[in-house]
Amino acid sequence: DVVMTQSPLSLPVTLGQPASISCRSSQSLVYSDGNTYLNWFQQRPGQSPRRLIYKVSNRDSGVPDRFSGSGSGTDFTLKISRVEAEDVGVYYCMQGTHWPFTFGGGTKVEIK
Amino acid sequence: EVQLVESGGGLVQPGESLRLSCEASGFTFSSYLMNWVRQAPGKGLVWVSRINSDGSSTSYADSVKGRFTISRDNAKNTLYLQMNSLRAEDTAVYYCARGLGIWWGQGTLVTVSS
Repeated sequence: DVVMTQSPLSLPVTLGQPASISCRSSQSLVYSDGNTYLNWFQQRPGQSPRRLIYKVSNRDSGVPDRFSGSGSGTDFTLKISRVEAEDVGVYYCMQGTHWPFTFGGGTKVEIK
Repeated sequence: EVQLVESGGGLVQPGESLRLSCEASGFTFSSYLMNWVRQAPGKGLVWVSRINSDGSSTSYADSVKGRFTISRDNAKNTLYLQMNSLRAEDTAVYYCARGLGIWWGQGTLVTVSS
């Protein structure tokens, strides 16, 4: 199985400051169709996951533009340009290239 | 509005069976791949199973292969997960999700305990 490794595990951030989460995969996530199926999810406390980013860098509808995704191959990053109080939660990267699809262990974003 | 509503969770003993359902609305259910994803209490997300749009192709995580069966009834807009030979480690909130996670249900809790 493809192992997704996220860092850091915990990310205390000051309101209005940027935040960055790293995700590395144990093998390339480039699919045979040329796409890279790397997604980012946010899970707020007590809620279902919500997809923020698909195929590395595409924001889902309704996702604020302070969220951005980048990367290629095996190295990916989720950035929040200015953290707001509603961004508190756990963030997961997930690969949809190789079955079984796998998630990273999660990064807990909290406000300092 | 897209809605996915899971049901069927509950408390069962090890070795017993349970069938989860996920009723979909607000989109053309028969056009989409569907999935089950679970989350043990306080833990991360695990992709359990997927089924293509017409039900002809299914995939399972190794941890549930041979015990769980995913299926769908496109006429009823409903996704199922038949879970047999349940173990304590299957205890989790089970979510249904459309495609590669664009939409999720609220989840249903399955507890396997004696």
